[in-house]
Amino acid sequence: DVKVTQSSRYLVKRTGEKVFLECVQDMDHENMFWYRQDPGLGLRLIYFSYDVKMKEKGDIPEGYSVSREKKERFSLILESASTNQTSMYLCASSLDRTDTQYFGPGTRLTVL
Amino acid sequence: KNEVEQSPQNLTAQEGEFITINCSYSVGISALHWLQQHPGGGIVSLFMLSSGKKKHGRLIATINIQEKHSSLHITASHPRDSAVYICASRQIWRGNLIFGKGTKLSVKP
Repeated sequence: DVKVTQSSRYLVKRTGEKVFLECVQDMDHENMFWYRQDPGLGLRLIYFSYDVKMKEKGDIPEGYSVSREKKERFSLILESASTNQTSMYLCASSLDRTDTQYFGPGTRLTVL
Repeated sequence: KNEVEQSPQNLTAQEGEFITINCSYSVGISALHWLQQHPGGGIVSLFMLSSGKKKHGRLIATINIQEKHSSLHITASHPRDSAVYICASRQIWRGNLIFGKGTKLSVKP
């Protein structure tokens, strides 16, 4: 079974802090994704990566950056957290870009 | 711009009822995904389809490409089916998924 894990289920940070959200998958998938999910808006793609050190912006990349130094790990970075980044963050991976995506359990981030 | 609309937003059913959730999209797609999200956040992919119909247990997904419409059916619903069901379309020229806002299903015993 594919397993996608995220570093924290719940996280509380202060405005201006640098925040790292980490995602690890164990199935040697090429593609990894970061989404945020907000009530009434559904899931929106922040960034995705199709290979080590390769990344592409999604629909809402502003205020975020990503890092993929190893195939199994994809990090989302909030350089200076703001209250409007309070959200549920979900990581996913897939073998092929158009294939089924496997999701992690999510990190509920609150920025005070 | 591709829009994905789901209906209804909320659905309450009695155990054993047949349930239908609808999904419409506005532009040509290469595939349509149905996903399930349980309370607590975890998302599981149920189906990926580009034509016709797929069945898995009590779940059936259909798609009509000409009408740009897909349905998810649940037969003999059970309280454990209570979840948010999300459809997502993959555009022909763009690999990323566009998600609907979800349908919250509650099945009462």
